Amino acid sequence: AQTVTQSQPEMSVQEAETVTLSCTYDTSESDYYLFWYKQPPSRQMILVIRQEAYKQQNATENRFSVNFQKAAKSFSLKISDSQLGDAAMYFCAYRSPLIGNDMRFGAGTRLTVKP
Amino acid sequence: ETGVTQTPRHLVMGMTNKKSLKCEQHLGHNAMYWYKQSAKKPLELMFVYSLEERVENNSVPSRFSPECPNSSHLFLHLHTLQPEDSALYLCASSQDAGTSTDTQYFGPGTRLTVL
Repeated sequence: AQTVTQSQPEMSVQEAETVTLSCTYDTSESDYYLFWYKQPPSRQMILVIRQEAYKQQNATENRFSVNFQKAAKSFSLKISDSQLGDAAMYFCAYRSPLIGNDMRFGAGTRLTVKP
Repeated sequence: ETGVTQTPRHLVMGMTNKKSLKCEQHLGHNAMYWYKQSAKKPLELMFVYSLEERVENNSVPSRFSPECPNSSHLFLHLHTLQPEDSALYLCASSQDAGTSTDTQYFGPGTRLTVL
């Protein structure tokens, strides 16, 4: 079974600085999809960014980018120019291409942004 | 605005009570999901419905009973719960359950406390 590991339970960053959140996963599949979700204190989980494993180019969404290392099974999230509104729990998730297969989530990283 | 709503937002119930959680999605999606989010644990997928048929059930105790009357509504019926069932229950939807590119959109969750 696929597992997702987020080794940093908590991280903090100064406003306007850059922070990187780590995620590793374990799988024997060659094709899959990876996601980063953000869960602010209001609890509504929203998608931040996603990456298809067959794409070598790292996904980017405005201030959010990923460093996808397929061989190392690593999928880190970089947040540039951190803003106070970035404070949240961040979850890394893996989804298999198999029909009906579920999404596996990491335990999450709580990000604090200091003014 | 993710288009997925959940009611109630908070629920306190005794172990002998019967209650139901409701989820509604306004996105025209075909797949809906129930997740359990406990403190300090990764999100756990409970049920997956695709086109109103259950496609996955991850060994969830029978005291949790899902119902999907149509593609827009999903219920989780609760009876004789245990205190350890206290958690945040998240509903999500996606275009299809069989395509791993599909992003899941989450509702705000129901905070359940079992006394």
